[in-house]
Amino acid sequence: AQSVSQHNHHVILSEAASLELGCNYSYGGTVNLFWYVQYPGQHLQLLLKYFSGDPLVKGIKGFEAEFIKSKFSFNLRKPSVQWSDTAEYFCAVTSGGSYIPTFGRGTSLIVHP
Amino acid sequence: NAGVTQTPKFRVLKTGQSMTLLCAQDMNHEYMYWYRQDPGMGLRLIHYSVGEGTTAKGEVPDGYNVSRLKKQNFLLGLESAAPSQTSVYFCASSYVVSEAFFGQGTRLTVV
Repeated sequence: AQSVSQHNHHVILSEAASLELGCNYSYGGTVNLFWYVQYPGQHLQLLLKYFSGDPLVKGIKGFEAEFIKSKFSFNLRKPSVQWSDTAEYFCAVTSGGSYIPTFGRGTSLIVHP
Repeated sequence: NAGVTQTPKFRVLKTGQSMTLLCAQDMNHEYMYWYRQDPGMGLRLIHYSVGEGTTAKGEVPDGYNVSRLKKQNFLLGLESAAPSQTSVYFCASSYVVSEAFFGQGTRLTVV
């Protein structure tokens, strides 16, 4: 079964710091990759997705992610975080002809003003 | 666009009571899912459906049942609620190859 690992469970940053959240998956075949964000008290919303093509994907609110197939990774980055980026971030994968998303455990990001 | 709508948004149940959570989507999506979200556990798949009239078990199906009699609706039932089912429940839907769209969640407390 597919598994998704998010190694950073809690991240605390100051505004303007750079962000990188790790995501690794286990399946070796074709994958579709997603990052979702959940603001406090809200539902999950899509930040960005990768299906094919350019492995560097740009999403909303200045976020980007890079798909590195050899490392089974899809890390999320933002050059300069804002207080409003405080949220929980989830990596998700669909793979192998099964389009059922498997989610990581999430990373809680707190940005201090 | 309503997207994915869940009812109710909040509910308190006593142990042993039953209830049904309703999910409705207006995007004509084939796939629908029920997840539960618990602190430190991320989202865990309870049941899912790949089309009208079909359902399948996910990672944590015990204690739950589902039905998808109409394409736009996906119901999650708890026959005899237990405190371990205290959680936030999210419904989601998607096309076959697309991102999932989530509802606002149902916060369920079982006392």
